[in-house]
Amino acid sequence: DTEVTQTPKHLVMGMTNKKSLKCEQHMGHRAMYWYKQKAKKPPELMFVYSYEKLSINESVPSRFSPECPNSSLLNLHLHALQPEDSALYLCASSQATGYGARNEQFFGPGTRLTVL
Amino acid sequence: KQEVTQIPAALSVPEGENLVLNCSFTDSAIYNLQWFRQDPGKGLTSLLLIQSSQREQTSGRLNASLDKSSGRSTLYIAASQPGDSATYLCAVGLMDSNYQLIWGAGTKLIIKP
Repeated sequence: DTEVTQTPKHLVMGMTNKKSLKCEQHMGHRAMYWYKQKAKKPPELMFVYSYEKLSINESVPSRFSPECPNSSLLNLHLHALQPEDSALYLCASSQATGYGARNEQFFGPGTRLTVL
Repeated sequence: KQEVTQIPAALSVPEGENLVLNCSFTDSAIYNLQWFRQDPGKGLTSLLLIQSSQREQTSGRLNASLDKSSGRSTLYIAASQPGDSATYLCAVGLMDSNYQLIWGAGTKLIIKP
């Protein structure tokens, strides 16, 4: 199974709402990633978890809060977002034998987020 | 600082043609290079991963080459089909970073029936 799943597919939220994005993989990968992608741009790395520990936080605003409950799941908690946070949020996973990006990254289908 | 460039930004060709997509990078000290495909509004699909010690990788009608000394990779698509229409992105894995990829901006490919 080489699939990364993400829910929901679409999310519309107001600036005062709290919501969560979910990601799951069953490939035995121990590195999981959140990316943000704006239209016609490449993905921007937000967070990386390696062995369920936060390894990279690319200076992401605190209104985005990641969580890795176990080796298969990755969440992104959203609170007090701004309209400019509207984007496609992508989850990815890879092996993490000390050198995660040196292994192939597999992406989920993404969550299309709109902040009103 | 590593920079990755993909030229052209868009390409339109008739069905059946063989074509080449280009990816160039400024620092040859890369660990690997990955080619992805992205359909509109969708996630990324990994096509090919080339380690820095390799010269090429093949998968079906796709062939990716890597020339570190010249800072170039190419993705060759044989006998193109309308279903190949998508944006193709390349991303470079760095020697001194465990998880970060440096991305090109992508080439939007349209295959005309």
